[in-house]
Amino acid sequence: SAVISQKPSRDICQRGTSLTIQCQVDSQVTMMFWYRQQPGQSLTLIATANQGSEATYESGFVIDKFPISRPNLTFSTLTVSNMSPEDSSIYLCSADRENTGELFFGEGSRLTVL
Amino acid sequence: LAKTTQPISMDSYEGQEVNITCSHNNIATNDYITWYQQFPSQGPRFIIQGYKTKVTNEVASLFIPADRKSSTLSLPRVSLSDTAVYYCLQTGANNLFFGTGTRLTVIP
Repeated sequence: SAVISQKPSRDICQRGTSLTIQCQVDSQVTMMFWYRQQPGQSLTLIATANQGSEATYESGFVIDKFPISRPNLTFSTLTVSNMSPEDSSIYLCSADRENTGELFFGEGSRLTVL
Repeated sequence: LAKTTQPISMDSYEGQEVNITCSHNNIATNDYITWYQQFPSQGPRFIIQGYKTKVTNEVASLFIPADRKSSTLSLPRVSLSDTAVYYCLQTGANNLFFGTGTRLTVIP
């Protein structure tokens, strides 16, 4: 199984600012994914990040608000731009190394926007 | 979007077998059925995956009937540490959507 590290683990931010979350995988993976999870809720897929191509966003999420980078096969970043209190959530990075549907997750980044 | 349906919550006493059933209304031919466990303040963790019939590993069994319209996760002799949210997913190419999950509470 892959080990996924996320930074920061938590942060408190001011409205209108932006925060970049980093995701590092301990091995090369083809597909990486970013999810959002509101307290007590299920996970919502934000986008799929493949190396060498633009991220694919799900309905309700746009690149201007959640720009994603995928510079290599072990790393990705998600930026939450122009934050508002509604963006307060846990953001989770995930990877599917063997395209099997078996996902490995980071511990999440808990974001609070004041 | 693929849609799975599962009970919102379940309670069980320690030592009992727990079965959580999920409905897979529009599962595709290439989709597998995958179950995850999530503890508070942690990312989900893979439990088991199957395509058809029965799969068993060291922590759980997964039963999938021939029509694949449902699946049942079976946890033998649960303990307090099994209290968590359990998610069933239909996983295939570009098919990685979590349903509501089942919150299992194990009671001493």
